[in-house]
Amino acid sequence: DAGVIQSPRHEVTEMGQEVTLRCKLISGHNSLFWYRQTMMRGLELLIYFNNNVPIDDSGMPEDRFSAKMPNASFSTLKIQPSEPRDSAVYFCASSLPAGAFFGQGTRLTVV
Amino acid sequence: QKEVEQNSGPLSVPEGAIASLNCTYSDRGSQSFFWYRQYSGKSPELIMFIYSNGDKEDGRFTAQLNKASQYVSLLIRDSQPSDSATYLCAVTTSGGSYIPTFGRGTSLIVHP
Repeated sequence: DAGVIQSPRHEVTEMGQEVTLRCKLISGHNSLFWYRQTMMRGLELLIYFNNNVPIDDSGMPEDRFSAKMPNASFSTLKIQPSEPRDSAVYFCASSLPAGAFFGQGTRLTVV
Repeated sequence: QKEVEQNSGPLSVPEGAIASLNCTYSDRGSQSFFWYRQYSGKSPELIMFIYSNGDKEDGRFTAQLNKASQYVSLLIRDSQPSDSATYLCAVTTSGGSYIPTFGRGTSLIVHP
C-alpha cells in the first residue's frame, strides 16, 4: 500500500504562471478530496470526487482553479493564473467511512 | 453552514499528565467523528474515529462523544513530548458522501 502520493512536494512559481498539482490514489478508494491549508483559514475543502465524478466543487475559490480525475487513481488540481494569495499547502486525500488518508501535501509559494 | 469548533491553544501539559482536547460541532445530522494528529510540516494522520455515544479507547487515546451536547473530545493519557502536535477534529454527515469538515485544530505542547 503506497498510500496517497502527491507531486511536487514543493513548488515556487511567479504570479501569473500556471501550476499543476498531482495526486495518485490508494487503489480501491473511491473518494478523493483536495484540501488547502493556511494558518489563517485552516483546512478548507476545495473539491470532492466520488468514482471519478466531481460531486462538490463549492469550495473552489474561483474560475482560476480547476480539478480533474481522469481515472480512479489519479487527479490533478490546476491554478491558472496563479496569484500570491494562492500560497498554501495543498493536500489530496482519499476517504473511506473510517476516515481520510492524506498525501504528503504540496507546499505552493507564488511570488 | 456546518461548523466544527476547537480551541486553538496552545494547550500545555507536563509529561505524564492527561491532555484533554475538545471539539463542538453545529450539524445535528453529523454521524462520524474523527481525530487527526498533524505534526509541524507534515500531513494530518488519522488516530481515532467514533460513531456512537460514549467512550472509545485505543491505547493511550480515548475519544468521547456526546451527540446530545454536540461535543466530542480526545483524552491522551500519560502524555509524552512526542504527542506535541496539532490535533484536528473532523465531522462527517449522513448521505454517503463522507466529506469531512475539519476544525482549525488545537496545538498541544507536552513539556518534559
